[in-house]
Amino acid sequence: ETGVTQTPRHLVMGMTNKKSLKCEQHLGHNAMYWYKQSAKKPLELMFVYSLEERVENNSVPSRFSPECPNSSHLFLHLHTLQPEDSALYLCASSQDRLAGGETQYFGPGTRLLVL
Amino acid sequence: QKEVEQDPGPLSVPEGAIVSLNCTYSNSAFQYFMWYRQYSRKGPELLMYTYSSGNKEDGRFTAQVDKSSKYISLFIRDSQPSDSATYLCAMRARDDYKLSFGAGTTVTVRA
Repeated sequence: ETGVTQTPRHLVMGMTNKKSLKCEQHLGHNAMYWYKQSAKKPLELMFVYSLEERVENNSVPSRFSPECPNSSHLFLHLHTLQPEDSALYLCASSQDRLAGGETQYFGPGTRLLVL
Repeated sequence: QKEVEQDPGPLSVPEGAIVSLNCTYSNSAFQYFMWYRQYSRKGPELLMYTYSSGNKEDGRFTAQVDKSSKYISLFIRDSQPSDSATYLCAMRARDDYKLSFGAGTTVTVRA
């Protein structure tokens, strides 16, 4: 596996379900990110982890709960979601969150549908 | 006012045409500028990365940054059907990990 991988690629869940999204990066990076991508809207940054420490929680509802057990893995735990949470959830990583010449590399995303 | 403005299109061109995409922004602190390409049902992939003002060329792709006008462009020469995708501009300030994205422009290159 290379780059940034995400599982599952597609997820359908009811509003009372609990599920988790998984992200793994194979780039040796120190920072990882969760984004939400909705149709016709810019990517919305949700959470940022640097060296396994959460450094950003961008006013995200508590029904989204991130977890970063190590610098290579990132999870997004989902519970009691709403239909408006249906979107593409993207994971990204970068070498260092403050490195001047660095940018972010994205995984393929998890397409989430909440019924 | 949105921090980054990008015309969502859609843009449809015949094969071989030049595709011109652009974004405007309001934050004068932005110094790093990126273009990502996103195919349907895929994540964004980095296409071009530039620092400050100027031009950068990579094969059929040319990125231009005009910081005085707060305007960036991406040109695709000799466009191919495989260039059909959504193109996202992104930018950030120095020493800031946060990327500000445009909404994306959907491009279709007709064979």
